[in-house]
Amino acid sequence: ILNVEQSPQSLHVQEGDSTNFTCSFPSSNFYALHWYRWETAKSPEALFVMTLNGDEKKKGRISATLNTKEGYSYLYIKGSQPEDSATYLCALFYGNNRLAFGKGNQVVVIP
Amino acid sequence: ETGVTQSPTHLIKTRGQQVTLRCSSQSGHNTVSWYQQALGQGPQFIFQYYREEENGRGNFPPRFSGLQFPNYSSELNVNALELDDSALYLCASSIDRNTEAFFGQGTRLTVV
Repeated sequence: ILNVEQSPQSLHVQEGDSTNFTCSFPSSNFYALHWYRWETAKSPEALFVMTLNGDEKKKGRISATLNTKEGYSYLYIKGSQPEDSATYLCALFYGNNRLAFGKGNQVVVIP
Repeated sequence: ETGVTQSPTHLIKTRGQQVTLRCSSQSGHNTVSWYQQALGQGPQFIFQYYREEENGRGNFPPRFSGLQFPNYSSELNVNALELDDSALYLCASSIDRNTEAFFGQGTRLTVV
């Protein structure tokens, strides 16, 4: 069982400010790291699938980095908007197509 | 829209009863996984089905069982429900390990 830790658990961000949060893991024994955005009353939706150490992904104002040697991934939101309010889940893809999730980073963007 | 649908969205059962949750995956996705999210926790892997056979199981007792059908639908069955089974149950389909999983909206199960 892979232990995935996400911090902070929740954060409030003023609209227009940038923010970031962390996913940490003790082992590099996985195939890929996934980030999902989960809005209330909707399905979790994939943001990024990261497979290599040093991998960086970007989608609009959101970007992510992966450092498997140090055991962490960062997710950045630049210029937060109210529609960014969601829970962001980090998950390690390992074994036979299974995901080990953290508890999530709950983000509230204050207009 | 992920193309994965789950039913029902909510249900309430009594302790000791049995429940069946359903999931319709995206066409072409041979793998379906089920997750349980208890309050305050991240989703926990229950089991996975690949081409209609169980292909991995998490730390859940045998009273959690499943089926996958040729039409990309699947079921999660839970027997002898316990209060701690109250949770959100998610199904997710995928193609392979290098692509994302597509989740349904989940079924909220309450056991009283």
